Amino acid sequence: DAGVIQSPRHEVTEMGQEVTLRCKPISGHNSLFWYRQTMMRGLELLIYFNNNVPIDDSGMPEDRFSAKMPNASFSTLKIQPSEPRDSAVYFCASSFSGGESKNIQYFGAGTRLSVL
Amino acid sequence: KQEVTQIPAALSVPEGENLVLNCSFTDSAIYNLQWFRQDPGKGLTSLLLIQSSQREQTSGRLNASLDKSSGRSTLYIAASQPGDSATYLCAVFNDYKLSFGAGTTVTVRA
Repeated sequence: DAGVIQSPRHEVTEMGQEVTLRCKPISGHNSLFWYRQTMMRGLELLIYFNNNVPIDDSGMPEDRFSAKMPNASFSTLKIQPSEPRDSAVYFCASSFSGGESKNIQYFGAGTRLSVL
Repeated sequence: KQEVTQIPAALSVPEGENLVLNCSFTDSAIYNLQWFRQDPGKGLTSLLLIQSSQREQTSGRLNASLDKSSGRSTLYIAASQPGDSATYLCAVFNDYKLSFGAGTTVTVRA
């Protein structure tokens, strides 16, 4: 398996623009997570999906952020409008939860976002 | 809310020395604990996972211990090499969430 695939790897945009980050989880996994990593706050969970349904979005900073999972193989994180303080590395992770699984999360390579 | 602390924040050692990285957490009701490695500009690589019922896990030169009752885990890396230079993150799993520490940045000098 190719692992968790994120695109783009780098995104540079201007303040006020819409940004869409994409994630393809590992096939067969039923849980998907979006994280944000900054120097100040470390790694923070933004949102968690289980079986394509958002379970916990309490980490989403504000209404400018939205996430969707239209099917088991694709998710997006959108920021509209973007602000310089959104500059960070955004990670997507997936896992299989249920039964005897160990709930190991596998991380993508991340998207480095710079908002100018 | 689960709080995860890693000490020290940074560590620099000569090649061959053993490394000891510490992690503490406030809520002992964890499902498991993972140690990750992160290289600069890269994603996270899982190194070891310890289930809450286990006391330790070993993989090659790496050994991780878990004392759930005291809320502590330690990662030992034996005979360090320059290739071990990276940031090491501890994360605990409660419910469905991974809560991360800020990491320990390790530099192994040749």
